[in-house]
Amino acid sequence: EIMLTQSPGTLSLSRGERATLSCRASRYVDSGYLAWHQQRPGQAPRLLIYAASRRATGIPDRFSGSGSGTDFTLTINRLEPEDFAVYYCQQYGESPRTFGQGTKVEVK
Amino acid sequence: QVQLVQSGAEVKEPGASVQVSCKASGYSFSDYYIHWVRQAPGQGLEWMGWIKPNSGGPKYAEMFQGRVTMTSDTSIRTAFMDLTSLTSDDTAIYYCVRDPDIPEEDFDSWGQGTLITVSS
Repeated sequence: EIMLTQSPGTLSLSRGERATLSCRASRYVDSGYLAWHQQRPGQAPRLLIYAASRRATGIPDRFSGSGSGTDFTLTINRLEPEDFAVYYCQQYGESPRTFGQGTKVEVK
Repeated sequence: QVQLVQSGAEVKEPGASVQVSCKASGYSFSDYYIHWVRQAPGQGLEWMGWIKPNSGGPKYAEMFQGRVTMTSDTSIRTAFMDLTSLTSDDTAIYYCVRDPDIPEEDFDSWGQGTLITVSS
């Protein structure tokens, strides 16, 4: 199975700053089938980005995804209070689907 | 709008079985896969398998083979996940997740989650 490694584990930032989250796959992710999900405390995850760079419906444009192959990035410009959460990358290029261990974006 | 509404929290004893339901609304139930993902307390996300109502699967993650059964009932637009031989390691929030049958897209809508606690 494809293992996904996210870094850093925790990112301490202030409101208005930019967050850059990394997701590295143990091997090539077919067709860039990589998604990012946000999970706020006590809530279910929600889809932010799919196909590496496409924003899901209703997701603000301060969220952007990039990358291909084995290296992917989620960028959050101008952090808002509601953006402090845990972010998971997930690959769906092959079975089984796998998730990274998560990056927590916390208030500095 | 799309909604996946799951059944309520349960407490089970070790060795017991549990069934979690996921009722869909706001879209054509048979046109989408339903996956199940779980999250142990304070941990990450773990994929369990999928079913496509009326047409596909189910397909299970290897670690759950023999213990999990995923079914659906299109007449009530509901998917079910049964897990047997529960241990404390199965204590987790269980989510159903919708998956469009489009190659580029994947988990686009999540249920609210169902907490299953296994304890004697």
